[in-house]
Amino acid sequence: AQSVSQHNHHVILSEAASLELGCNYSYGGTVNLFWYVQYPGQHLQLLLKYFSGDPLVKGIKGFEAEFIKSKFSFNLRKPSVQWSDTAEYFCAVNPMDTGRRALTFGSGTRLQVQP
Amino acid sequence: NAGVTQTPKFQVLKTGQSMTLQCAQDMNHEYMSWYRQDPGMGLRLIHYSVGAGITDQGEVPNGYNVSRSTTEDFPLRLLSAAPSQTSVYFCASRLDSFSGNTIYFGEGSWLTVV
Repeated sequence: AQSVSQHNHHVILSEAASLELGCNYSYGGTVNLFWYVQYPGQHLQLLLKYFSGDPLVKGIKGFEAEFIKSKFSFNLRKPSVQWSDTAEYFCAVNPMDTGRRALTFGSGTRLQVQP
Repeated sequence: NAGVTQTPKFQVLKTGQSMTLQCAQDMNHEYMSWYRQDPGMGLRLIHYSVGAGITDQGEVPNGYNVSRSTTEDFPLRLLSAAPSQTSVYFCASRLDSFSGNTIYFGEGSWLTVV
């Protein structure tokens, strides 16, 4: 079965530090890739998504992610984090050539940004 | 336009009780789904529906039932609650089955089974 791995479970950064959160998936075919964010007390929101084309995807709030097919990775980056980025981040994958039609989520990475 | 609405937000059940988590969306979305979120495990798909009258199982369907009699509503039923079902439940909807469309999540339902 396909899986999504987020190896960083809890990341603590100071404001203005750069961020990179890892995401690896196990499916070998064509995939759609997503990053969702969950701010404290709120529901999940889409940060960015990749379908095809340019492997560097830009999302909201200065986030970007790079799809590296050879590494089965879709890492999330931000050059300079803010205190308001404190949240939990989830990577999600959907294979394109199955009938599942549903996302498989990683276990999440909790980001804590200290002022 | 309310988006995805879940009720109740908080619920405490005794082991063996049954209950229904309600989910409604007003965006005329064909695709609806239920996830549970547990610490360290991310979100896991319980059941999903690609349209009225059509439902299917996700990763963790045991102990849960769903139905989709209308496009708008997708209730999740716990048949006989167990402590292992203590979790946060999210309903989500999407325009259709194309996974590239944005998923909209409800605000979550916190369920504790004692």
